[in-house]
Amino acid sequence: DQQVKQNSPSLSVQEGRISILNCDYTNSMFDYFLWYKKYPAEGPTFLISISSIKDKNEDGRFTVFLNKSAKHLSLHIVPSQPGDSAVYFCAASASGHEKLQFGAGTQVVVTP
Amino acid sequence: KAGVTQTPRYLIKTRGQQVTLSCSPISGHRSVSWYQQTPGQGLQFLFEYFSETQRNKGNFPGRFSGRQFSNSRSEMNVSTLELGDSALYLCASSLRRDRADTQYFGPGTRLTVL
Repeated sequence: DQQVKQNSPSLSVQEGRISILNCDYTNSMFDYFLWYKKYPAEGPTFLISISSIKDKNEDGRFTVFLNKSAKHLSLHIVPSQPGDSAVYFCAASASGHEKLQFGAGTQVVVTP
Repeated sequence: KAGVTQTPRYLIKTRGQQVTLSCSPISGHRSVSWYQQTPGQGLQFLFEYFSETQRNKGNFPGRFSGRQFSNSRSEMNVSTLELGDSALYLCASSLRRDRADTQYFGPGTRLTVL
């Protein structure tokens, strides 16, 4: 039962343009969300997080938006750079449950 | 500070065998979690250890087990291997059990079951 869904397995974007990655969740108890980035042959690395008390969190080129009513979050990367080519995982957790539920990931390819 | 290390990096086994994977967390980190990554399924949570005790467990059969030692190093064991166990097994460590604590992942162990 996949409670966190990333419906786009891949995304291709031109360098300098915006990348928008989407994530949907079904569990209304989720109140903490994270994005991880993974390069081949490496483990995922933490990118950005957001708590359900906020609807936006920004860190440099990365912004995460949370729409609780739609159970949807998105990650915006502006501007996209070739080094952003990686697999991006969305993850969520519920208060009192420390384990993270991950989505299947979205492969981003940034082309020159 | 050294990152999370996992050994071995690659492993090939046959059905029915058992395997043990090792994870050394970042120095000072006491929480270790294990995940299975397969194509199309993302990362599936296996279990979490803190202070040598299993604190959380995912929906995996009893063939999957683990333990944590007093130095926080952790091992994961899979018995009676099946073809479907072929996956990348990732270990992550964090300072405490607070979910706001960043989890740092190791590079993973690629297990192939023939």
